[in-house]
Amino acid sequence: EAGVVQSPRYKIIEKKQPVAFWCNPISGHNTLYWYRQNLGQGPELLIRYENEEAVDDSQLPKDRFSAERLKGVDSTLKIQPAELGDSAVYLCASSSNTQFEAFFGQGTRLTVV
Amino acid sequence: TQLLEQSPQFLSIQEGENLTVYCNSSSVFSSLQWYRQEPGEGPVLLVTVVTGGEVKKLKRLTFQFGDARKDSSLHITAAQPGDTGLYLCAGADETSYDKVIFGPGTSLSVIP
Repeated sequence: EAGVVQSPRYKIIEKKQPVAFWCNPISGHNTLYWYRQNLGQGPELLIRYENEEAVDDSQLPKDRFSAERLKGVDSTLKIQPAELGDSAVYLCASSSNTQFEAFFGQGTRLTVV
Repeated sequence: TQLLEQSPQFLSIQEGENLTVYCNSSSVFSSLQWYRQEPGEGPVLLVTVVTGGEVKKLKRLTFQFGDARKDSSLHITAAQPGDTGLYLCAGADETSYDKVIFGPGTSLSVIP
């Protein structure tokens, strides 16, 4: 069974430019998470979906970040415009049960210059 | 606000040594997970502990959940270079299973 797939693996953009990340969760997993991980730190939740509904987006900087999960499967996370401080690894994870056991993708490493 | 602390932040040991890393909080968690993350990869789940006082073993790794479900430890016996990585603990909120917070991690380096 394929794991969580993210693309791209790496992205370098200039500040003020837009960027988008894509995630394909494990088949059948109804919960999808986007995390941001800064160097030397643990992942921080940005948004959590149950199927196509965003049930926790309290940590998402809504002035520049947006996310969607069409049809409750794939998801995209967008930043517009990007700032230098957005440089980080953006991780997608999915889970299928009520006991949080998340499976993570490899992440997208974003560098804003 | 829930907060998970991990110690030590960094640990460098020789191959064959034993080590213990800790995960602590003032909050009670319904479950706690341990992940290992290698450079350039996403975290990989090692274990989930649910019951206070629970002990789980995974080969040379022993995980313990505190009686009060506020803390946990990970003990590695006879560490190997392949154990090198960032060890993250993550706690699930007692009232909302999917509300999870991660600790900052312990970066382990095992020197051959």
